[in-house]
Amino acid sequence: EAGVVQSPRYKIIEKKQPVAFWCNPISGHNTLYWYRQNLGQGPELLIRYENEEAVDDSQLPKDRFSAERLKGVDSTLKIQPAELGDSAVYLCASSLDSRRSYEQYFGPGTRLTVT
Amino acid sequence: SQQGEEDPQALSIQEGENATMNCSYKTSINNLQWYRQNSGRGLVHLILIRSNEREKHSGRLRVTLDTSKKSSSLLITASRAADTASYFCATAMIGSYQAGTALIFGKGTTLSVSS
Repeated sequence: EAGVVQSPRYKIIEKKQPVAFWCNPISGHNTLYWYRQNLGQGPELLIRYENEEAVDDSQLPKDRFSAERLKGVDSTLKIQPAELGDSAVYLCASSLDSRRSYEQYFGPGTRLTVT
Repeated sequence: SQQGEEDPQALSIQEGENATMNCSYKTSINNLQWYRQNSGRGLVHLILIRSNEREKHSGRLRVTLDTSKKSSSLLITASRAADTASYFCATAMIGSYQAGTALIFGKGTTLSVSS
């Protein structure tokens, strides 16, 4: 079974530039999560999707961050414009059904460096 | 914000020794999970313990949960060099809707196992 796929693995951009991350969850997983992990910290949830609906985006900085999961499968997270403080690892995770299956499966992440 | 706090922040042991790491949290939970993260890679789910359980085993892993003290411990027995990684506890909030969703991670314990 293929795991959660993320691309790119690494991204270096200058501040004020836009950037996008892509995630393909495990087949059949209805719930998709985007987390941000700063150096030396644990992941922090940015947004959670149940199928194509964003049901928890309270931690997403909406002035510059946006996300979509149009067909309820893969998802894109965008930052525009990027700031120095956005440098972090962006992790995507999925789970079968967040109300009954609590285990989350994580992708390898995208390491973003903003210069 | 992060709810879980792991202790110690770093732990160095020899192969064959046992490693114990602790996690404390602040609010009532539905379940508590432990994840492992190898350098530069995504998180891997290790074990989940529900709020009505006190102890759980999985291979060389033993997890305890004390809800009265709001704390958990992860014991890795007969450690191996391959166990070198960061270990995170993650708490899922109480309530069926939130239980599989609002995973809040601690800062992690970095374990180094030398041969």
